[in-house]
Amino acid sequence: KQEVTQIPAALSVPEGENLVLNCSFTDSAIYNLQWFRQDPGKGLTSLLLIQSSQREQTSGRLNASLDKSSGRSTLYIAASQPGDSATYLCAANDMRFGAGTRLTVKP
Amino acid sequence: DAGVIQSPRHEVTEMGQEVTLRCKPISGHDYLFWYRQTMMRGLELLIYFNNNVPIDDSGMPEDRFSAKMPNASFSTLKIQPSEPRDSAVYFCASSLLELGANVLTFGAGSRLTVL
Repeated sequence: KQEVTQIPAALSVPEGENLVLNCSFTDSAIYNLQWFRQDPGKGLTSLLLIQSSQREQTSGRLNASLDKSSGRSTLYIAASQPGDSATYLCAANDMRFGAGTRLTVKP
Repeated sequence: DAGVIQSPRHEVTEMGQEVTLRCKPISGHDYLFWYRQTMMRGLELLIYFNNNVPIDDSGMPEDRFSAKMPNASFSTLKIQPSEPRDSAVYFCASSLLELGANVLTFGAGSRLTVL
């Protein structure tokens, strides 16, 4: 059974800072990894999907990477903004989620 | 498409009552997932269907929980009898396997409070 871990559980940064969120998974037989954003009281919105044949995906200020051999994925957010404040979750093989990282970007 | 539609958005009930949560997936999607989210346990996969057939229900916590998908456009999650510890937000998500990847689309969730 795939286990997904996200560290840190919470992160607070000043506006404009670049930051990295981490996601670790136990089963290297992964065929894709997906990053989501969840705003308080809302559902999840898909941000990026990385297939196992890819090493990274980019969308605007977001860049996600996947390293199957080490069991890790990272989500890089450039030039953070207060609107980026949310909980970020990763999911391995579409189904198993990490506990999320709660990000606060202070103006 | 209106996205994944869940009902009710909020449900408050008393312990012992039956609760039915409903989900309408995106038309054409062939996978449907039910999740439960709590502060303590995060987002847990309860069950998922492929082409209306339950594939993995190992996350269903107890026999009090049951899920059905009678057709491609409707699914239910039922709790009978409900208990206070079932209080959580229940999410439904659907996806289409395309180019080897499932991109999940979530509904807005059903917030359940069992008194």
